[in-house]
Amino acid sequence: DAGVIQSPRHEVTEMGQEVTLRCKPISGHNSLFWYRQTMMRGLELLIYFNNNVPIDDSGMPEDRFSAKMPNASFSTLKIQPSEPRDSAVYFCASSLSSEAYNEQFFGPGTRLTVL
Amino acid sequence: DAKTTQPPSMDCAEGRAANLPCNHSTISGNEYVYWYRQIHSQGPQYIIHGLKNNETNEMASLIITEDRKSSTLILPHATLRDTAVYYCIVRPPYDYGSSNTGKLIFGQGTTLQVKP
Repeated sequence: DAGVIQSPRHEVTEMGQEVTLRCKPISGHNSLFWYRQTMMRGLELLIYFNNNVPIDDSGMPEDRFSAKMPNASFSTLKIQPSEPRDSAVYFCASSLSSEAYNEQFFGPGTRLTVL
Repeated sequence: DAKTTQPPSMDCAEGRAANLPCNHSTISGNEYVYWYRQIHSQGPQYIIHGLKNNETNEMASLIITEDRKSSTLILPHATLRDTAVYYCIVRPPYDYGSSNTGKLIFGQGTTLQVKP
């Protein structure tokens, strides 16, 4: 299994531009999670999906952020418009389910720099 | 959610056992103890988890005290590649009626430096 796949691995963009991050979860996993990591705030959960349905988006910082999961094998996290403070590493993770006994497997992350 | 307390940093000699402590004195009876690690510039990596009993896998052992208020992650023979930030997380069970459920909430972790 290839594990969780994220693209792009690095993204540099200018303030005001739209950014789309992509994630392919492990096949057969029904839960998908988006995290953000910065030096100041550490690892934060932004949103997670069960069976393609958003369950908790309380971590999404503001309306500029949106996430979709159109099918079981693909999810996107979009920032529009982007701002310099959005610079961070964004991780996607998946698990068999959201039950506490199922571990989450993380992707390699997308390093986003907004100039 | 139960909070965890970990030392900010630890050193370990290569080849020796690394024992990483974690306090979680407010843990509830149905909350799991999870350990992840993050090697520089990589995504967090799952290590092990447990509820009440001690657990062992190919990576590590997890020792949970009888009162469940603390735990220790043991890497039996640390190598230089085990240098990483280690996170101890108390994870609530999934509650279909609550949005605050099943989450992994990462703290600051323990930076383990394995030295030759």
